[in-house]
Amino acid sequence: GENVEQHPSTLSVQEGDSAVIKCTYSDSASNYFPWYKQELGKGPQLIIDIRSNVGEKKDQRIAVTLNKTAKHFSLHITETQPEDSAVYFCASNSGYALNFGKGTSLLVTP
Amino acid sequence: DTGVSQDPRHKITKRGQNVTFRCDPISEHNRLYWYRQTLGQGPEFLTYFQNEAQLEKSRLLSDRFSAERPKGSFSTLEIQRTEQGDSAMYLCASSGDRGLYGYTFGSGTRLTVV
Repeated sequence: GENVEQHPSTLSVQEGDSAVIKCTYSDSASNYFPWYKQELGKGPQLIIDIRSNVGEKKDQRIAVTLNKTAKHFSLHITETQPEDSAVYFCASNSGYALNFGKGTSLLVTP
Repeated sequence: DTGVSQDPRHKITKRGQNVTFRCDPISEHNRLYWYRQTLGQGPEFLTYFQNEAQLEKSRLLSDRFSAERPKGSFSTLEIQRTEQGDSAMYLCASSGDRGLYGYTFGSGTRLTVV
């Protein structure tokens, strides 16, 4: 399948700090880039997505940026809280299938 | 909002047995997807239905795997002659007429093959 590379694999921040997760993709035809949060024992939960005709999207403390030329996109979480601790996955589409990165385990310490 | 429902949540089976999982998508969604997730990895695409038609299958979906979606509502995923390598979380997702809009996952079925 198409590759989605995600970095870092683990990220530890103090409460109130910002967290940034970066992804790159290889399929030039990809036009949909969602981010999912997964807590232990649960399915992935969509937190924000961006389409290829948009460069940036923000929803409260969460923002995503997309650089189609460079084929990379990033998730920014500001004012992190302990409940933000989870595994975060980026994905890009190939048709209707999603190709996921390997995930970033985010730990927010009080 | 009932979300995507999957049943059972957990399944332990002996190697060589057959297992079947069920997924009920969000009612107004006509697209349904199956994914597999192993520990420490992201979900991997298995197959995709639009209404009752199975339109795409991954190479990961071996001959022992079969998925159906009769009448375009719920879907089943069957694994025959299970192997230890089949142990994983099997996730179902659905999305609506606007294609990838509202791509929502269920909580998954965790399969353990002993």
